[in-house]
Amino acid sequence: DIQMTQSPSSLSASVGDRVTITCQASQDISNYLNWYQQKPGKAPKLLIYDASNLETGVPSRFSGSGSGTDFTFTISSLQPEDIATYYCQQYDNLPPLITFGPGTKVDIK
Amino acid sequence: QVQLQESGPGLVKPSETLSLTCTVSGGSISSYYWSWIRQPPGKGLEWIGYIYYSGSTNYNPSLKSRVTISVDTSKNQFSLKLSSVTAADTAVYYCARLYSGYDSLNYYYYYYMDVWGKGTTVTVSS
Repeated sequence: DIQMTQSPSSLSASVGDRVTITCQASQDISNYLNWYQQKPGKAPKLLIYDASNLETGVPSRFSGSGSGTDFTFTISSLQPEDIATYYCQQYDNLPPLITFGPGTKVDIK
Repeated sequence: QVQLQESGPGLVKPSETLSLTCTVSGGSISSYYWSWIRQPPGKGLEWIGYIYYSGSTNYNPSLKSRVTISVDTSKNQFSLKLSSVTAADTAVYYCARLYSGYDSLNYYYYYYMDVWGKGTTVTVSS
């Protein structure tokens, strides 16, 4: 089974700061990696798919990069509405088995 | 636009079977994969499994022996059954559409969960 790790597990940053979250897979997953945002009491929301593709309607301050085992999620300028937990999620291909990372909680300092 | 709504009992007794249904509105259940995900209180997300509209399934290996996902295309619904539940199965259960596309440039299929239900809380307790 492919294991996913995320770091940090939590962070506090100021409005306007650049925030970076990393996600690491236990083996090469090419670019089979998605990112989700979950606000308290709400369902997750897709932000980035295929490692670097921005979902329609998602603000451009969110971005993703990486391939293989190491991936990065970035908020270029943190906004108050970005307070949430962010999850990476990988899938084995054909047929896909899905695994979520443990999540990174983002707070405003 | 497509919307999903989970429904089912909020309380299940230990050793019994948890049963939930997800109703798809605003679009057809056909031509897509449909997934179940859960989140225990204060914890992260766990994928349970998915079903293609035609009926083929794939489950999380850690839950496979207890999970059944089925689809009813006539009702635009898909369902989850989880047997022999314990307190560890207490969670918010989400249904989601698992979108699949094909990258013809690089020859691979990609998948992501793009539409989610609001979730339903299931507590396992006597």
